[in-house]
Formats: sequence, C-alpha cells, structure tokens
Amino acid sequence: QKEVEQNSGPLSVPEGAIASLNCTYSDRGSQSFFWYRQYSGKSPELIMSIYSNGDKEDGRFTAQLNKASQYVSLLIRDSQPSDSATYLCAVNPRNTDKLIFGTGTRLQVFP
Amino acid sequence: EAQVTQNPRYLITVTGKKLTVTCSQNMNHEYMSWYRQDPGLGLRQIYYSMNVEVTDKGDVPEGYKVSRKEKRNFPLILESPSPNQTSLYFCASSLNSYEQYFGPGTRLTVT
Repeated sequence: QKEVEQNSGPLSVPEGAIASLNCTYSDRGSQSFFWYRQYSGKSPELIMSIYSNGDKEDGRFTAQLNKASQYVSLLIRDSQPSDSATYLCAVNPRNTDKLIFGTGTRLQVFP
Repeated sequence: EAQVTQNPRYLITVTGKKLTVTCSQNMNHEYMSWYRQDPGLGLRQIYYSMNVEVTDKGDVPEGYKVSRKEKRNFPLILESPSPNQTSLYFCASSLNSYEQYFGPGTRLTVT
C-alpha cells in the first residue's frame, strides 16, 4: 500500500462547478497535511495546509481532514480554467521530518 | 522577493561526469530538501537538511550527495551520474519541515 494515494485522473469539471479531490494516507499518526498545485512544467506551489479534523476554508478552496478515516480532500468552488493543474497531496508522517507526496490528480476545468 | 533558486535549469550530460546542481534560498529557512519527480512515481525525497551541517537521507539517496555549509545553500552533487538519474529535480525550503516552498526545478538528462 502506498503511503499517500490519489486518483491520477484526469478529473474533468465544467467551469463554475465544484471540483473535489481526494487523498488517503496509511500512517494513522500523521499530523500535518498539505495540498500543492503544480502547473505543467512548473514547480509545486503550496495552496492549503490543514492540521486538525474538520474543514479549513481559504477563498475558493476548502481542505477537509478526517483522521479516523485517514483521508484528506480539497474542494475547489467556482472552478475556473486557470485551476487546471495537477494537485498533489502531501502528508507528514509521525516522528519524521519529511513530506510524503502522492502522485497527484490532474484536474481539467473546461469552459 | 522571497524565493528558492536553482541552477542550472536544464542540463544534458554524459554518464560518469560529475555535476552539481545549486540551490539557494533567501528566506532564512532552516529546512532544505531535494526531490526528484518522475512520471508515475511522483515527488520523492533525496536528501534533506534541518540546519547547517545537518543532513539526512530521504527515500532515494543512492547516487547523490549533499552538503550544507551555509544556511542559504544546499547543493546536490552527482559524483558519477547514470541514465537512471535522468529526472526533474526540485529544491525546497521551509521554516520547519512542513510548509515547503519549491524552486523552479532542474531538468537533468544523463546520456
């Protein structure tokens, strides 16, 4: 089992819709969770971090964390074509100083 | 402007020819890390450093060396590059090990 798993996609949504991206992780003791956005040919960019169960909202983005079920999700409201990118989930396993990344979900927002 | 810089951005080299990829950050971050990104495998950590003169292996350290003599710099050294080290390399830095900020990437081809 991979430490951090994401569906590779592509996830295609129409402009203005809600895009829902999911991630599961294997280390139950993980404490910190992150979402990065990576445009084609560019470097990953941190867009959300979440540390406790529940929802965290930042503009059009909402991160959701459920530690009991070991999943973290990212919702993008009012999706725009400029949101088309690969979204990477990253997890900090317990007792480590590293981030483990999923392989990413490619999101396509069509007009 | 706060940033992580890498040089060179593109490099084509031959098997066995030693090379160094430089990484520098101007944010006074203590934590720095090197990743490689390969299709289907995602981002994998090569080495990381918690502070000056403190380095640790990541998940794929074989064939690589690093040093951290100054807080701002964290060069990646390939003593004898091989074709399986052809990849996209990213340097990242952060205040802790979690919210990491990435450099623009170095695309390396070893023939």
